[in-house]
Amino acid sequence: DAGITQSPRHKVTETGTPVTLRCHQTENHRYMYWYRQDPGHGLRLIHYSYGVKDTDKGEVSDGYSVSRSKTEDFLLTLESATSSQTSVYFCAIRTDRDNEKLFFGSGTQLSVL
Amino acid sequence: GENVGLHLPTLSVQEGDNSIINCAYSNSASDYFIWYKQESGKGPQFIIDIRSNMDKRQGQRVTVLLNKTVKHLSLQIAATQPGDSAVYFCAENGMAGSARQLTFGSGTQLTVLP
Repeated sequence: DAGITQSPRHKVTETGTPVTLRCHQTENHRYMYWYRQDPGHGLRLIHYSYGVKDTDKGEVSDGYSVSRSKTEDFLLTLESATSSQTSVYFCAIRTDRDNEKLFFGSGTQLSVL
Repeated sequence: GENVGLHLPTLSVQEGDNSIINCAYSNSASDYFIWYKQESGKGPQFIIDIRSNMDKRQGQRVTVLLNKTVKHLSLQIAATQPGDSAVYFCAENGMAGSARQLTFGSGTQLTVLP
């Protein structure tokens, strides 16, 4: 699992509530990513980070924000959850600056009712 | 826009046979390709990768072939086993903004029949 822990593993919430998902790594890698996975769409990049306090948007960043105040933690926040954000969320790390290979966590199943 | 896709969404093979999973890509600027396996309820797991300066790369029971002329990538699994049943994704390192990021296909469900 490349030392990646995602929490929670499952969450059910109501529309309009804030939600924060956590990704924790134990190996001090610089690059961390958040993806969402939906049927028919594969994995789509939400946000990524290339260092503490350094983040950038992916292709589906609307409605999401991220924070990285320390190397080991990358937080994904849904400020006001919507039903369209029901998905499985995966965190990933990149271990080599010169190689785009990613290692993924086990995912968080989020249901917004 | 650029996209990575798969020819077949599902594939069923007999145990012991070889499996071939195909992937088409359209971004001619991509220079790195990767295959992942995802079992139910788990995160994607790296299988094998290949750079565009290679046509073929072999791992343990798996081979990736890259045909840049027709922008085609394939994953071959030798002597398919029940544990190979999973969804398989290809990805390419297209440009996203100012940096290269992996772009994933939608996946092929491989089912191994006894």
